Amino acid sequence: EVQLVESGGGLVKPGRSLRLSCTASGFTFGDYAMSWFRQAPGKGLEWVGFIRSKAYGGTTEYAASVKGRFTISRDDSKSIAYLQMNSLKTEDTAVYYCTREWFPVGYFDYWGQGTLVTVSS
Amino acid sequence: QSALTQPRSVSGSPGQSVTISCTGTSSDVGGYNYVSWYQQHPGKAPKLMIYDVSKRPSGVPDRFSGSKSGNTASLTISGLQAEDEADYYCCSYAGSRRVFGGGTKLTVL
Repeated sequence: EVQLVESGGGLVKPGRSLRLSCTASGFTFGDYAMSWFRQAPGKGLEWVGFIRSKAYGGTTEYAASVKGRFTISRDDSKSIAYLQMNSLKTEDTAVYYCTREWFPVGYFDYWGQGTLVTVSS
Repeated sequence: QSALTQPRSVSGSPGQSVTISCTGTSSDVGGYNYVSWYQQHPGKAPKLMIYDVSKRPSGVPDRFSGSKSGNTASLTISGLQAEDEADYYCCSYAGSRRVFGGGTKLTVL
């Protein structure tokens, strides 16, 4: 059974950093691109970015709203994807989801349960 | 503002059909047949309902169907059931980006 479990969320002050983890099981993690999404309270889904599998170079792409502040990485040996968030702003407050992606077409067939990040002083 | 435009809400009675539109541009919806739809119940993670414009993953009822014309994709739900009440999001491949709609709240009356 495919499972994705996010962790690392919490309360953080503006300007600080936080790293989220997404631990995967039930599939060959290294074969898939992994994506991150977020959903602000009462708002819609927002794509944050993704990391390609090593077969496609392991490179990353980001939404304009987070580019330069957020970094996605992966450790295939541990089946974990990371979202490093720096220079956090209050508008980054959201539930963050990791997903498995059908690359390159951009379909997301498995989602984690989400982890809440609250940016507030 | 979301990249893809969806109506904020639609509604229908049990047994009826509803259609949710998703309008983009020639750089996303109109340029590729890589449109997907997601259902999200309150407090839950989204669920893939449609991919490749009109294909259903295993386990998704055939009451859900998708189509596309030009820059607009559509999700039709026929034979509405109470459990279909949820938020629906469209998504399109756009090269190195993935673009989403703002979401549509479906109310089953």
